[in-house]
Amino acid sequence: DQQVKQNSPSLSVQEGRISILNCDYTNSMFDYFLWYKKYPAEGPTFLISISSIKDKNEDGRFTVFLNKSAKHLSLHIVPSQPGDSAVYFCAASGGSGTYKYIFGTGTRLKVLA
Amino acid sequence: DSGVTQTPKHLITATGQRVTLRCSPRSGDLSVYWYQQSLDQGLQFLIQYYNGEERAKGNILERFSAQQFPDLHSELNLSSLELGDSALYFCASSVVPGFQETQYFGPGTRLLVL
Repeated sequence: DQQVKQNSPSLSVQEGRISILNCDYTNSMFDYFLWYKKYPAEGPTFLISISSIKDKNEDGRFTVFLNKSAKHLSLHIVPSQPGDSAVYFCAASGGSGTYKYIFGTGTRLKVLA
Repeated sequence: DSGVTQTPKHLITATGQRVTLRCSPRSGDLSVYWYQQSLDQGLQFLIQYYNGEERAKGNILERFSAQQFPDLHSELNLSSLELGDSALYFCASSVVPGFQETQYFGPGTRLLVL
């Protein structure tokens, strides 16, 4: 049972435009959500996180939105840059007492110059 | 650079063999997590250690085991390897296994079982 889903395996966006990556979850006990970026041959790099008590968190060009009622979060990148081309994973934790992360399968973002 | 190191970067071995993957957490981090990423899949949690003690187990096979040593580095042992064990294995660390604590990932070890 996939508790965290990223339904778009890939996304292409023009440089300078907004990239929107989506993530859905099923477990209402999740209370912490994160986005990681992964380049080939590297480990996931932490980008931004959000607690379930918030609905938005912003860090520079990156903003994460959380809609608890819809069990949906999204990552907005504005403006998109070619260096943003990578695989983006959303992750969630909470409720299990172990603080392990449950990851989605990733979305490959390609920013076109 | 996250500060988490993993060795080796690549490992090629045969079915039935045993391998050991090593992870050194960031300086000051007491908790280590192991994840497996198979082809086109998300990362799957395997096991978690905190200050030398096992804290949680996920989808870890009985053929796999891990430990965290007094210097806080961790090793993941994979035995009786099968073709399906070919994957990327990531280690992550955090200061403590706490509420809303961010985990930082190493570069991974790519294991290929032939």
